Amino acid sequence: AQTVTQSQPEMSVQEAETVTLSCTYDTSESNYYLFWYKQPPSRQMILVIRQEAYKQQNATENRFSVNFQKAAKSFSLKISDSQLGDTAMYFCAFMKLRSYNTDKLIFGTGTRLQVFP
Amino acid sequence: SQTIHQWPATLVQPVGSPLSLECTVEGTSNPNLYWYRQAAGRGLQLLFYSVGIGQISSEVPQNLSASRPQDRQFILSSKKLLLSDSGFYLCAWSLTGDIQYFGAGTRLSVL
Repeated sequence: AQTVTQSQPEMSVQEAETVTLSCTYDTSESNYYLFWYKQPPSRQMILVIRQEAYKQQNATENRFSVNFQKAAKSFSLKISDSQLGDTAMYFCAFMKLRSYNTDKLIFGTGTRLQVFP
Repeated sequence: SQTIHQWPATLVQPVGSPLSLECTVEGTSNPNLYWYRQAAGRGLQLLFYSVGIGQISSEVPQNLSASRPQDRQFILSSKKLLLSDSGFYLCAWSLTGDIQYFGAGTRLSVL
């Protein structure tokens, strides 16, 4: 069974600084997706970034980038130029890549990020 | 563009009462639909998913059931709520099977 571990329950960063959130996972699959979702105080889950395991290049979305280390089963999220609006719970998630059209997301327990002015 | 709606946003129910949470998706056809539950301070756990009308797969044996009476409607139900059913319930949809888009959620308190 797949598991996702986020070892940092809480983190804080000053506005405009850079912060890195850690995530490790365990799987015997070779093809899968990894995601970071953000859950602000409104509680709605918002996709931040996605990485396909077969791609060596790290995904980037504006100020958000990942460091994907497949051999180490590590998938960290870097937030550059942190903004107050980045304050949220961040969840790392794993999904097996299947031949048919659905699969479940397996979530970590989350990291609460507080951005201070 | 596609949108997903969940209601109600907040619900307080007594133990033993029935439950019905509704989720609808607009702007797409034949989406995959999902129900997740988030316990306090924890990640999300998949409860049910559906790849089509009347097709429901259960991930976790529990006091809940799901139905999909229409293509873009997904309902989470219970005949008798338990205290342990309290939590935050999120509906999600996907087309490609990878990216899932979530609704705003329903906070359920069972007293």
